[in-house]
Amino acid sequence: GAGVSQSPSNKVTEKGKDVELRCDPISGHTALYWYRQRLGQGLEFLIYFQGNSAPDKSGLPSDRFSAERTGESVSTLTIQRTQQEDSAVYLCASSLRGINEQFFGPGTRLTVL
Amino acid sequence: AQSVAQPEDQVNVAEGNPLTVKCTYSVSGNPYLFWYVQYPNRGLQFLLKYITGDNLVKGSYGFEAEFNKSQTSFHLKKPSALVSDSALYFCAVRAYGSGNTGKLIFGQGTTLQVKP
Repeated sequence: GAGVSQSPSNKVTEKGKDVELRCDPISGHTALYWYRQRLGQGLEFLIYFQGNSAPDKSGLPSDRFSAERTGESVSTLTIQRTQQEDSAVYLCASSLRGINEQFFGPGTRLTVL
Repeated sequence: AQSVAQPEDQVNVAEGNPLTVKCTYSVSGNPYLFWYVQYPNRGLQFLLKYITGDNLVKGSYGFEAEFNKSQTSFHLKKPSALVSDSALYFCAVRAYGSGNTGKLIFGQGTTLQVKP
C-alpha cells in the first residue's frame, strides 16, 4: 500500500514569509508525528496527534509553529514568519497507534533565505 | 528525562565482516526501543524494535539488536556487512505507561561505511 507522503518535497522561501507543509499518513494510522532534522543532526520531535485526543505540542520550538490534523487524515504544519534557523528537513510519520513503530515520509526540505 | 546516546559518529567495516552500531538509552520506566536507517535523500526506514520478550530482536535486511537492561543498551548488529548497508543509522526510545505519548527520542545518528 501507499506509504506516508509529504508535499512539497522542497521549499525555498524568504525570511519572514509563512510556509505550509503537508503530510498524508498511511490510511488507517491513527497516530501522526512531525519531526525536524537539521543538517547533520538527529530528529527533533515537534508534535504528535492521536485520533481525536488533544495533540502533544511539547516539541514545538516557538509560537510561530503550529499544526493541524483533521480526524485521522491529512496534517499541515505551518511556520509563520520563517527564520533562517528554521531551515531543515521536516519529516512526518504515522503509526497504527502510539505504541507501534512509526513509518516516515520522505520529508520536506525547507530552505529559508 | 529520556535520552539516547550513539557514541560513534561513524563506524567503518569491511564487507563480509560483522558490524556493531552502539546505542545506550536513559528512560524512566520500561523502554520501547527502535532502530531506523536513512539512505541519502530519503526518509527513515524502520529496521526493528524491542517492546518486550526475547532480548535478541531480529529485523529487516539481516539486522538484529540485543537489549541489555542492566547496561541500558540496544546495540545493532549484523553478522556479515554489505556495501549496500552503508547509510545513517538512528536509535530511538520511548517510554510506555500512562501519560507517555508515542513520541520518539532519537540519537544523533551513526554513519556506517562498509568498504569493499
